[in-house]
Amino acid sequence: AQSVTQPDIHITVSEGASLELRCNYSYGATPYLFWYVQSPGQGLQLLLKYFSGDTLVQGIKGFEAEFKRSQSSFNLRKPSVHWSDAAEYFCAVYGYNKLIFGAGTRLAVHP
Amino acid sequence: GAVVSQHPSWVICKSGTSVKIECRSLDFQATTMFWYRQFPKQSLMLMATSNEGSKATYEQGVEKDKFLINHASLTLSTLTVTSAHPEDSSFYICSAKTGQGNNEQFFGPGTRLTVL
Repeated sequence: AQSVTQPDIHITVSEGASLELRCNYSYGATPYLFWYVQSPGQGLQLLLKYFSGDTLVQGIKGFEAEFKRSQSSFNLRKPSVHWSDAAEYFCAVYGYNKLIFGAGTRLAVHP
Repeated sequence: GAVVSQHPSWVICKSGTSVKIECRSLDFQATTMFWYRQFPKQSLMLMATSNEGSKATYEQGVEKDKFLINHASLTLSTLTVTSAHPEDSSFYICSAKTGQGNNEQFFGPGTRLTVL
């Protein structure tokens, strides 16, 4: 069965600093990978997705992610974090007709 | 495009009552809808998958008789929490996907259920 691991439960960065959120997946075939963001009490917003092709994927709000098959990773990056980026971030893998989420990483941004 | 709504956004009910949550795809036809449950500060756990016109497929450990799912049309799925108890209090999120090529799901804003 597929699974997703987000090793960092909580990350704090200063506004303007760069950000990398880690995601490792386990899936037997070529994965469909997603990053979502959730603000408190809200639903999920899709940041970006990888289905195939270019392994560097651009998303909304200045986010990007790189698919590395050899490392089974799909890390999310942003060069300069804004205070409004504070939220919960979920990595997910789609397989066997299901979307499986990681545990999430809570991002706090210091002014 | 690809907007999913949920109603109500929050509900408070007494223990023992039943609560119905609606999930609608507003601008597309959803052949498949999904229901997730999220406890505070935790991830989303898939409860069930429903395809229009057929019975829902429940994940292991989810009580079918407790969480009734109906997907009667291509734009509407409902989740009924029957005889709700405080431990059913949670954030319920639905998602929907079309029958088209990719596997992207579009998420609703969620429904906060509090059972007193």
